[in-house]
Formats: sequence, structure tokens, C-alpha cells
Amino acid sequence: NAGVMQNPRHLVRRRGQEARLRCSPMKGHSHVYWYRQLPEEGLKFMVYLQKENIIDESGMPKERFSAEFPKEGPSILRIQQVVRGDSAAYFCASSPGLAGGSFHEQYFGPGTRLTVT
Amino acid sequence: QKEVEQDPGPLSVPEGAIVSLNCTYSNSAFQYFMWYRQYSRKGPELLMYTYSSGNKEDGRFTAQVDKSSKYISLFIRDSQPSDSATYLCAMSLGRNTPLVFGKGTRLSVIA
Repeated sequence: NAGVMQNPRHLVRRRGQEARLRCSPMKGHSHVYWYRQLPEEGLKFMVYLQKENIIDESGMPKERFSAEFPKEGPSILRIQQVVRGDSAAYFCASSPGLAGGSFHEQYFGPGTRLTVT
Repeated sequence: QKEVEQDPGPLSVPEGAIVSLNCTYSNSAFQYFMWYRQYSRKGPELLMYTYSSGNKEDGRFTAQVDKSSKYISLFIRDSQPSDSATYLCAMSLGRNTPLVFGKGTRLSVIA
């Protein structure tokens, strides 16, 4: 039973380039959350998606960041025109949502470490 | 005041010791409380979760929630070197809502 998968695990981008981070949730999970972990900081919520819907994007920066979770395929976090301050570890978590389990446990992937040079 | 406060440590204990990790929070609306373990350069791993106040035990781990004091704890008995990691507390307002994390406490268990 594969866990949450993220790729790439490491991503290096120059300032001004675009970064695309992918997340495949656990089998049977229909809810995806993205979090960012800056050095020496805790995990901060960015966005919560269900298939084809953004449920909560209150933690997402207003510019340059976008996320999607299409009907088919992984969830994508996209960062346009990256800056050095975007360097961080980006984690996604999936949960079964209301359809499964008594609780909405969130299971995390291994993360994508983005370095902007 | 931050929503969730957690002493970052580092905390260093000898093997076999009882470890106590704690978080305080300010939002009394939080209902679900979790502890995650994160090894260096890995994703967080869910250890325990609790709904509302009370205790929950799983093997060497015990989670406690005191909503009246807005205080949660994780106890690790008979600590092992393999327990060396960063421990993150997290909480949420309800089912299917984002998690709010503490900064994490770095624990080292010395053999």
C-alpha cells in the first residue's frame, strides 16, 4: 500500500524560473493539503484541495503560487518566478475525507526540497 | 501570541528515560490534537491523535490533552536512540481542516 508520493524530491531553480511540485495521495484518499516548512520554522498550511476543487487557500501567498488537483493525476503546486525566499521544504498530506475513517488523519509525503539560486 | 507554542529544545536524555514533550495553544476552538515525529529530511509521521480532552496510550507513547489549560503533552517511556527526532504537535478546528503546527522539539536519546 503505497504512501503519499511526492516528486521531485529535490528541485533546484534559478530566480525567475517556475517550479512544479507534484503530489500523489494515498490510494483511496481524495483530500490533499500542501504545507511549507521554512528553515527553523514549523510547518505552515498553504492550501487544501479535493478533486477539481480548492477548498481553502487561506495560507497561499496571493501572487505567484497556485495549486490544482485534477480529476485524473496528481495534485500540482506551481510557483512562478521563484525568488530565494521560496527555498523551503514543501510537503503534501492526504486524508480520506468524510468518506473514510472516524478521523481525518493526514498522512504526509517525503517532501520536495526546493532550492532557489 | 502564536497560535501554538512549543519549546524547540534541543532536549537530550539518556536511553531508558521518560520524555515529556509539551505544547500550549491559544485558540480554544481546537478540537483535534496530534503528535507527529519527523526524522531529519523526512516527512512527518503521525504518532498519536486525540479528540478533545483526555489521555490516549499506544505502546510507549501517551498523549494527554487538557483543554481547560490549553495544554497538550506527549510522554515517551523507555526512550530509545531510535526515538531521536523532531516531535511536532499539531491541532485542528475540526475534521478535514488544516493543521496548525508547533515549531517542533528536537529530541536526542543518548545510548
